[in-house]
Amino acid sequence: GENVEQHPSTLSVQEGDSAVIKCTYSDSASNYFPWYKQELGKRPQLIIDIRSNVGEKKDQRIAVTLNKTAKHFSLHITETQPEDSAVYFCAGRVGGGGNKLTFGTGTQLKVEL
Amino acid sequence: DTAVSQTPKYLVTQMGNDKSIKCEQNLGHDTMYWYKQDSKKFLKIMFSYNNKELIINETVPNRFSPKSPDKAHLNLHINSLELGDSAVYFCASRGLAGSYEQFFGPGTRLTVL
Repeated sequence: GENVEQHPSTLSVQEGDSAVIKCTYSDSASNYFPWYKQELGKRPQLIIDIRSNVGEKKDQRIAVTLNKTAKHFSLHITETQPEDSAVYFCAGRVGGGGNKLTFGTGTQLKVEL
Repeated sequence: DTAVSQTPKYLVTQMGNDKSIKCEQNLGHDTMYWYKQDSKKFLKIMFSYNNKELIINETVPNRFSPKSPDKAHLNLHINSLELGDSAVYFCASRGLAGSYEQFFGPGTRLTVL
């Protein structure tokens, strides 16, 4: 089955700096890669996603890039703000029944003033 | 007005007891999921139902039994609770046809004493 690895597990940046979180996946049939943000005590919420037929997608300060050949994808957050502090999860979906998402192990992002 | 709701929010119980968690979505989605998030924040899928039919059944002890009375509801019953069952359980539902986005409920924090 699909295996998704995520790095780093913790990331501390200064406010205004950029943050990059990287994930690799194992199944070349994966076709959808979402990123979820989970604030403390809250539910995971989708912040951006990308399908396998697209190499890059941007939404204001966040962007995701996908390299299908290398089987890795990354989340980029620019001009970080304290409210970006949260745990971020990447995930991969292999086509087929069930729309099963396999999640990475999460990255605790801390944006310091 | 809540899209995906769960009850209860907190559940504290003794080892050996049986408990249920309820989930409801008002988004008109056909597919619903149960995830377990352990103390290390790792999110792992347990079950998925599509229009009341079980379609994903991960390696979960058979003490866990999902039930879907209709496509808007997916409940989780746990028999003979063990200490290791302590976790946050999230219900989720999947977007309409052509969408892979999953919407999470607020979670149920289960503590087994």
